[in-house]
Amino acid sequence: EVQLVETGGGLIQPGGSLRLSCAASGFTVSTNHMSWVRQAPGKGLEWVSVIYSGGSTYYADSVKGRFTISRDNSKNTLYLQMNSLRAEDTAVYYCARLYDFSSFDHWGQGTLVTVSS
Amino acid sequence: QSALTQPASLSGFPGQSITISCTGTSSDVGTYNLVSWYQQHPGKAPKLMIYEVSKRPSGVSNRFSGSKSGNTAALTISGLQAEDEADYFCCSYAGSSTLFGGGTKLTVL
Repeated sequence: EVQLVETGGGLIQPGGSLRLSCAASGFTVSTNHMSWVRQAPGKGLEWVSVIYSGGSTYYADSVKGRFTISRDNSKNTLYLQMNSLRAEDTAVYYCARLYDFSSFDHWGQGTLVTVSS
Repeated sequence: QSALTQPASLSGFPGQSITISCTGTSSDVGTYNLVSWYQQHPGKAPKLMIYEVSKRPSGVSNRFSGSKSGNTAALTISGLQAEDEADYFCCSYAGSSTLFGGGTKLTVL
């Protein structure tokens, strides 16, 4: 059974850093395309970043230069390093597996990141 | 990277059919047959309902169907049921990025 479990969320001050983890089971992260998607409180979904099975990475303009997506093949885990956090980064962050380039077929339960002083 | 356009809300009676539209541009919906739709109940993670415009994942009811014409995609739910009440989001590949619609809140009257 495919499972994704995100951890690492919490309350962080503006300008701070946080690293989210997404532990996968039931499949191999390195041979799949993986993404982070976020949802601000009461708002819609926003794509954040993708890492393709070949290793290429892409980011939304809103996080480019501040966030870094990566994976640890030995731990079968996806990461999102978030630096220079802003209030507008406050959201539930989901990791998701991609069936193709943009169909998210499995999602984690999400982890809440709150950026506030 | 502008969001795709969806109606903010729709409603229907049980048994009726409703269609949610999703309008993009020639750089996303109009170019790629990589439109997907997600259902999200309050406090839950999104669930994939339609992928690659019109394909249904295993386990999704055949009351859900997808289509596309030009820059606009659509999700149709036939035989509306109480459990269909949820938020629905469309999504499209856009080259080096992925775009979501703003979401449609579906109310079953």
